[in-house]
Amino acid sequence: KNEVEQSPQNLTAQEGEFITINCSYSVGISALHWLQQHPGGGIVSLFMLSSGKKKHGRLIATINIQEKHSSLHITASHPRDSAVYICAVIGSGGSNYKLTFGKGTLLTVNP
Amino acid sequence: ETGVTQSPTHLIKTRGQQVTLRCSSQSGHNTVSWYQQALGQGPQFIFQYYREEENGRGNFPPRFSGLQFPNYSSELNVNALELDDSALYLCASSGGGRYGYTFGSGTRLTVV
Repeated sequence: KNEVEQSPQNLTAQEGEFITINCSYSVGISALHWLQQHPGGGIVSLFMLSSGKKKHGRLIATINIQEKHSSLHITASHPRDSAVYICAVIGSGGSNYKLTFGKGTLLTVNP
Repeated sequence: ETGVTQSPTHLIKTRGQQVTLRCSSQSGHNTVSWYQQALGQGPQFIFQYYREEENGRGNFPPRFSGLQFPNYSSELNVNALELDDSALYLCASSGGGRYGYTFGSGTRLTVV
């Protein structure tokens, strides 16, 4: 079993829909990144959070440390949101400050 | 502040050759980590450098090696390239892992 599990693997939505991507992890963490990757491209960090909730524009990220679960929400989705969304956790100490990634969720938003 | 820059962006090598990939860390960051992302997969941790010392390594063979320089830029070297080494190689820098990472755009390596 992977240390970081994301669901769904693939998600297709119509423009304007509300989108949720989930991430569960099984290790102790100091923080969690939500990342965006366009096809063939590098990675951009959308959020880093260690508790509660963060909002940036139409994007909202939440984390529940006790339940080891985080969600990324996109309100009023748009075709330009089409990308792979990756959850990555930062280990909780020592040399464990490395990132462990989920496999990603491929989001396609159709006009 | 500058971001993380990786070079080259694309590279084609022949099986058995050696390759060096480069990463300049974001200003003020002393930690650099490298990741391999095969097509359709999430990135996999290769290793991490903190103040010029390797301080963590993933499940990669010794032919994957690295360096970090006094200015905290870094190199990833891969010897005896294999076809399965074809991937996107990502570099990320941090001012201390718990403070989050900044990612480069990656180097796309193709081994033929």
